[in-house]
Amino acid sequence: DQQVKQNSPSLSVQEGRISILNCDYTNSMFDYFLWYKKYPAEGPTFLISISSIKDKNEDGRFTVFLNKSAKHLSLHIVPSQPGDSAVYFCAASAITGTASKLTFGTGTRLQVTL
Amino acid sequence: EAQVTQNPRYLITVTGKKLTVTCSQNMNHEYMSWYRQDPGLGLRQIYYSMNVEVTDKGDVPEGYKVSRKEKRNFPLILESPSPNQTSLYFCASSPDLAVKGNEQFFGPGTRLTVL
Repeated sequence: DQQVKQNSPSLSVQEGRISILNCDYTNSMFDYFLWYKKYPAEGPTFLISISSIKDKNEDGRFTVFLNKSAKHLSLHIVPSQPGDSAVYFCAASAITGTASKLTFGTGTRLQVTL
Repeated sequence: EAQVTQNPRYLITVTGKKLTVTCSQNMNHEYMSWYRQDPGLGLRQIYYSMNVEVTDKGDVPEGYKVSRKEKRNFPLILESPSPNQTSLYFCASSPDLAVKGNEQFFGPGTRLTVL
């Protein structure tokens, strides 16, 4: 059962425009949501996160929105740059026992074109 | 430089030949974890460790073993590899068990092919 879903495997956006990556989840016990970015031949790197008690978090060109009633979050990148081309993973955190566990989505490949 | 290192980065082996993928972090992190990445399935957790001598199963632990004898090292052991363990493996560490939503720092990955 996929608790974190990224339904768009790929997305192409023109440089300078907004990129919107979406993520849906099913477990209402998730307390944090995170976005990771992955370039080929490298490990994922943390990008931005949001607590389940907030609805928006912004960091430079990156903003994450959380809609708890819809169990949906999105990552907005404005303006998109060619260096943003990568695979983006949505992840959700829940406390299980005494530790947090991260559950990842399947990823969305973003291509920013010139 | 703060980092998570994995070795080897690439490995081709045959069915049944025991192998170990090493993972080391120099950030004094408590929490370490192993994931595998497969097309269409994202990252799935294999095992994790909350501290030295404390390990637990993730979502896909079958066919794998781990150990945590020292804080910095968390090797992944495949006692008898099979072709369905062909995958891209990532080790990760985190400074605490539940900080910032358990932000984790990932190694560069190990691409394993089992023939």
